[in-house]
Amino acid sequence: AIQMTQSPSSLSASVGDRVTITCRASQGITKDLAWYQQKPGTAPELLIYDASTLQSGVPSRFSGSGFGTDFTLTISSLQPEDFATYYCLQDYNNPFTFGQGTKVEIK
Amino acid sequence: QVQLQQSGPGLVKPSQTLSLTCAISGDSVSSNSAAWNWIRQSPSRGLEWLGRTYYRSKWYNQYAESVKSRITINPDTSKNQFSLQLNSVTPQDTAMYYCARDRTGWPLDYWGQGTLVAVSS
Repeated sequence: AIQMTQSPSSLSASVGDRVTITCRASQGITKDLAWYQQKPGTAPELLIYDASTLQSGVPSRFSGSGFGTDFTLTISSLQPEDFATYYCLQDYNNPFTFGQGTKVEIK
Repeated sequence: QVQLQQSGPGLVKPSQTLSLTCAISGDSVSSNSAAWNWIRQSPSRGLEWLGRTYYRSKWYNQYAESVKSRITINPDTSKNQFSLQLNSVTPQDTAMYYCARDRTGWPLDYWGQGTLVAVSS
């Protein structure tokens, strides 16, 4: 199975900060990488797919980049509603595998 | 708008079978472009994909190696839903269980509300 290594596991940031989260795949997955946001007590919500395509309705402050093994999620200006845990997912092949998550906390 | 509604017990005894159902609205379990997944989440394992079922002229199933000997995912076309059965459960199977859809060219996009299942006597 492809392993997804996400970093950092947590970070503290302030409203307005630029935040970057990375995800590394154990083998090449072309652009088959998605990012999810999860708030306590709710299911993950799709933010970005195909590494850089914004899901409908997701604010433009979210962006994704990368190809192959290295991927990045960027929040350009952190908003109060963005404090949550973020996960990457590879859907290049079965089994689908997730990163361990990055918890974004208020500084 | 696709909606997935989960149902099933929140408590299962060790060695018994965990059974959950996911009712689909806004799409069809028999869709030729969708697949219907089960995922679980626990503090120890994180998010873990368990398996999926999908129809491409015939029915297919794919399962994670970690549960392959114990899992069955079945579609129910008459009720437009799909189910998860996990046999011989242990406390390590305690988790939040989610159903979710993926489509050809898209990752998991719609998720159920989640069901917290505890394995305990």
